[in-house]
Amino acid sequence: GIQVEQSPPDLILQEGANSTLRCNFSDSVNNLQWFHQNPWGQLINLFYIPSGTKQNGRLSATTVATERYSLLYISSSQTTDSGVYFCAGGTGNQFYFGTGTSLTVIP
Amino acid sequence: ETGVTQSPTHLIKTRGQQVTLRCSSQSGHNTVSWYQQALGQGPQFIFQYYREEENGRGNFPPRFSGLQFPNYSSELNVNALELDDSALYLCASSLGPVQEQYFGPGTRLTVT
Repeated sequence: GIQVEQSPPDLILQEGANSTLRCNFSDSVNNLQWFHQNPWGQLINLFYIPSGTKQNGRLSATTVATERYSLLYISSSQTTDSGVYFCAGGTGNQFYFGTGTSLTVIP
Repeated sequence: ETGVTQSPTHLIKTRGQQVTLRCSSQSGHNTVSWYQQALGQGPQFIFQYYREEENGRGNFPPRFSGLQFPNYSSELNVNALELDDSALYLCASSLGPVQEQYFGPGTRLTVT
């Protein structure tokens, strides 16, 4: 199957700082998403982004499909941004998750 | 519009027993995928159902089986439970096999 590598594994930020999370895929994918998992386990959709760039408020994402990576940008971080961020992607009928980036934003 | 729902929320079973978890897909979605998430790890793909047929399977043994019903809701069945089956089980629905997935809140299974 496809291997998904996320970096960094852990990140601690001061409130107001910016950050970039990265996701590398071992093979091409045609279906890519970013999620935020809350403390109760619910996966919240952030972006569906097989290619290109999207923005939603303080968050934006870019996927360079030809180079098999995606980036998630968080600007002006807030304590409510804390949690685990996952990228996931696949082709056809399988979907592979990375091991996540655990983000802690301190006031 | 109702989102993806799962039942039960929590479940405790004994090793060797069987369990059935349920998932109701979002309105208009014909595809359901199931995932297992062990503590501290990312979700692992179990299988996907598309229009009532299994459409893909991850690296899980045959004691993990599923069904999808005409209304596109789905069940995950696990036989002969093992301690390592303790995990959060997530289902996701989508408009098709290669479309954006929307996840339910999960069922937390504990096997003792």
